[in-house]
Amino acid sequence: AQKITQTQPGMFVQEKEAVTLDCTYDTSDPSYGLFWYKQPSSGEMIFLIYQGSYDQQNATEGRYSLNFQKARKSANLVISASQLGDSAMYFCAMREGNAGGTSYGKLTFGQGTILTVHP
Amino acid sequence: EADIYQTPRYLVIGTGKKITLECSQTMGHDKMYWYQQDPGMELHLIHYSYGVNSTEKGDLSSESTVSRIRTEHFPLTLESARPSHTSQYLCASSDQGYSTDTQYFGPGTRLTVL
Repeated sequence: AQKITQTQPGMFVQEKEAVTLDCTYDTSDPSYGLFWYKQPSSGEMIFLIYQGSYDQQNATEGRYSLNFQKARKSANLVISASQLGDSAMYFCAMREGNAGGTSYGKLTFGQGTILTVHP
Repeated sequence: EADIYQTPRYLVIGTGKKITLECSQTMGHDKMYWYQQDPGMELHLIHYSYGVNSTEKGDLSSESTVSRIRTEHFPLTLESARPSHTSQYLCASSDQGYSTDTQYFGPGTRLTVL
């Protein structure tokens, strides 16, 4: 079963508008972390934002915010005031397990969403 | 800001050649990882290490091998490259002592085997 699902292969947004990229996850572990990464066409993976399963508030980092709905197992990325430089592939990822465990730190990635920002 | 480096960035090589992809980080991170990514697809973990002299295979089976003799260095070797090895290889590291354990990635190596 897919642990991380990104159902939007591609998304389009107008410059300066907000956009939401969907991510749902599946785990039975009570302790986990959710990450979003940006991958431009150059290929590097850029860390954007992190949400822990026990965090009470939604994470925010500048123009990025994470809409964390634990009961629905969703962790959607919201990008406000889109810029042309936001055009890239975006990956949602999950880390399961408790710190110190033998499998701690391993990430499972979703299939990615290609975001295109139009001027 | 992460300081993790990969060389070469691009490599085109013939079938049967031995190759080593280099990865190094200057952050003193204990954990290091290698991922394989085909174009437009998700990343798959192929190797990871929790410290010096520790290496484990990841979720995706790979014919490559890794070593971790120094904390900062985590090279990946293919003894005999084949066209099926054509892919992008991404190295990452994280700090085991930090609660989020965020992985920071290098720029990647795009490997083409002819």
